[in-house]
Formats: sequence, C-alpha cells, structure tokens
Amino acid sequence: DIQMTQSPSTLSASVGDRVTITCRASQSISSWLAWYQQKPGKAPKLLIYKASSLESGVPSRFSGSGSGTQFTLTISSLQPDDFATYFCQQYDSFSWTFGQGTKVEVK
Amino acid sequence: QVQLVQSGPELKKPGASVKVSCKASGYTFTTYGIHWVRQAPGQGLEWMGWINTDTGNPTYAQGYTGRFVFSLDTSVSTAYLQISSLKAEDTAVYYCARSGLALDYWGQGTLVTVSS
Repeated sequence: DIQMTQSPSTLSASVGDRVTITCRASQSISSWLAWYQQKPGKAPKLLIYKASSLESGVPSRFSGSGSGTQFTLTISSLQPDDFATYFCQQYDSFSWTFGQGTKVEVK
Repeated sequence: QVQLVQSGPELKKPGASVKVSCKASGYTFTTYGIHWVRQAPGQGLEWMGWINTDTGNPTYAQGYTGRFVFSLDTSVSTAYLQISSLKAEDTAVYYCARSGLALDYWGQGTLVTVSS
C-alpha cells in the first residue's frame, strides 16, 4: 500500500498567518491527491482534489500544489473558522490511503 | 442537493453484528461509488474500501476482509456496511462517502460502540 506522511502533526498559528501543511507519498501518485478539513464531531469536508483543484464553495485562501510524491496545502491567511484537522488522501492506487492528519490550533 | 444520510448510533456487545445504512439522495445513485471510512476515537481516518454502485462489486482494504461486508439496495439508493463478530476495537465512527471528485460528499457518520 502507498503510505502518506503528513507534517507537522500539530501546528500552532494565529489568525492572519500563512499556513503550510506537507504530505509525502511513499511512491509517485501523479496528482491523485485530495485534502480534507475536519472539525470535531463532524464529517470531513473536501477542500482540494487532484492536488490543486479547489472544490466548489471552498474559500480561495486554500490552495494545493505538488505532484509525484510531494504535496502542500496552503492557507494564505488563517481565519478563525480554519482551526481544524486536515488530512491528505491519495487515490492513485487500487487501495486509497489517508495521511495521519495535521491539527491546526490557536497559538 | 446531494445528501448521504446514515443510520443512528449503535451499542453492541462483543461477538454481535451491526449493519449501518447510508441513504443517498439528490443524484443518480448508480453513477458514483460509495466508500466507507473508519475513525476510531481520537484517531485519524482509515479507508475501509468501496462498492461499485453500478455493478455491486465491493473492494476491501487490507485489514477489512472477512468480517466486513459492503452491500447495496439500489431500489432505495442505499448502501450498507455490515460488521460481524464485533470486537471492542471496532468502536469507531463509520462514514460513507461518495466518490465523485475524490470523496466529495460524506454522510454524517455512525458511531458504533462495542462494549460488554
């Protein structure tokens, strides 16, 4: 199975900060990567698909980049609603896998 | 609008079985696959597999063969997850999700608690 490694596991930031989360795949997944946001007690929400495509309705402060094995999710100016946990997911292979998650918390 | 509505929370004893439902609306059910994702308390997301809603063919992730069964009733646009021989470590929230552009719509989750 393809392993997905996110970093950092926890990120402390303030409103207005630029935030970057990294996801690394154990082998090339082309651009078959998605990012999700999850808040406590809620289902995950799709933010980015195919590495850099913004899901409809998602604010433009969210962006994704990368291909192959290295990917990033960037929040250009962190807003109060953005404190949450973020997961990457590869959907290149027969078996999909998630990263372990990055919790963005208040600094 | 697209919605996936899951059945309510379950409390089961070890060794019992449970069947979680996921009812879809707002789109043609057989056009998109349904995936199942597990989240143990305080843990991350784990992909369990998916079912092709057109053919009914299930695919199970490693670690989810044997006790886990995905099924469909296309007449009511509903997917099911059945878990048999429940163990305490099966305690988790189980999500269904539609595979459009990645997993673009999710159910609200079903908490399955396994306790004696």
